[in-house]
Amino acid sequence: EAQVTQNPRYLITVTGKKLTVTCSQNMNHEYMSWYRQDPGLGLRQIYYSMNVEVTDKGDVPEGYKVSRKEKRNFPLILESPSPNQTSLYFCASSYSRSNQPQHFGDGTRLSIL
Amino acid sequence: SQQGEEDPQALSIQEGENATMNCSYKTSINNLQWYRQNSGRGLVHLILIRSNEREKHSGRLRVTLDTSKKSSSLLITASRAADTASYFCARGAGWIYNQGGKLIFGQGTELSVKP
Repeated sequence: EAQVTQNPRYLITVTGKKLTVTCSQNMNHEYMSWYRQDPGLGLRQIYYSMNVEVTDKGDVPEGYKVSRKEKRNFPLILESPSPNQTSLYFCASSYSRSNQPQHFGDGTRLSIL
Repeated sequence: SQQGEEDPQALSIQEGENATMNCSYKTSINNLQWYRQNSGRGLVHLILIRSNEREKHSGRLRVTLDTSKKSSSLLITASRAADTASYFCARGAGWIYNQGGKLIFGQGTELSVKP
């Protein structure tokens, strides 16, 4: 089954404790991205990757890092999480460009205390 | 804001009625997409309409696009309780804006279909 898998689905942690949210897709997609969804602000793109070793900033990249060492994986790293990063995070992928239909993961709800 | 505006923000209808959601945007597009999000889940792609298309159908969904007015609408006919979800439009930017990197989402419309 074609899917985008995020882990964990839920996480409560404390300020400053490094965390990684993993994202994996099994569709051989070149393009992957991370979004955060906040009430009243909609979905905002954090980072995207057009292919292996090619990443770039989205609209709200501050406080986040990503890497794309393999085509299927695109982890989101919060080196020193802060409460304003409490949000619902989504990973998405598509065959090539972002303006093609995106396949989304089920989301990761992060709470930073 | 580069984000689209969706209207209404919330819509409550009875099963069997039609639901219409509207989306406006400010800059040029390559395509416009509609997504559905069930509570607590990821977004699911519904339909994509290209900038040179005016109308597209998929099952009970009908999407129209008016590039002169920079607006799109999503019509769900004969709605069902299972259609209850949030619906988002997303603007696929053209190449000049997009080195492959951006799909700009609207704020969404919350649709509630009562049995």
